[in-house]
Amino acid sequence: DADVTQTPRNRITKTGKRIMLECSQTKGHDRMYWYRQDPGLGLRLIYYSFDVKDINKGEISDGYSVSRQAQAKFSLSLESAIPNQTALYFCATSDPGLAGGSSYNEQFFGPGTRLTVL
Amino acid sequence: AQSVTQLDSQVPVFEEAPVELRCNYSSSVSVYLFWYVQYPNQGLQLLLKYLSGSTLVKGINGFEAEFNKSQTSFHLRKPSVHISDTAEYFCAVRDRGSTLGRLYFGRGTQLTVWP
Repeated sequence: DADVTQTPRNRITKTGKRIMLECSQTKGHDRMYWYRQDPGLGLRLIYYSFDVKDINKGEISDGYSVSRQAQAKFSLSLESAIPNQTALYFCATSDPGLAGGSSYNEQFFGPGTRLTVL
Repeated sequence: AQSVTQLDSQVPVFEEAPVELRCNYSSSVSVYLFWYVQYPNQGLQLLLKYLSGSTLVKGINGFEAEFNKSQTSFHLRKPSVHISDTAEYFCAVRDRGSTLGRLYFGRGTQLTVWP
């Protein structure tokens, strides 16, 4: 089973619609992230959360909101979708852990959600 | 904030040829460095990482990277590529002293291996 899952995997919606992308993880990590990927621009950080009570804006948070319902769940919402939010969205998790551990500082990514806003 | 530059957006090579994907970062502070690979229609997978110690880091699938502090670079290399290496490769940086743990990504390099 995948450690980081995202639903839906693909979504087509219309301008003005509200949409939610969901992310779940079974890695037990406290830190979770939402990125969007656009061709030629790499990954840009939308929001990140260090625990259920700690949510922070990333570099491109305008037009997005998030909810950390539990340690394992981190949802991204587009309140009123617009065409330039068409992109590939990735959720990631990390655990600072112990220095020298095998996964120290590594971020683990979900498979992505391809969102198209018409 | 960090800035990560991947100098080539596309790198075409023939099978069994060597390849180098270049990555430079902006900050002079101590950093952790990562290369991720994204195969078509998949998420990102860690290829290798530099945390400390030897500046030559070996990763999966025969890739390696060398950390050069003076040149603020972390170039990725493979001596002989396969068609299955066709993918997009992302360099990422994290400030060592940051408690935020966020990664800064480059724009990616599309490696295409031709038969």
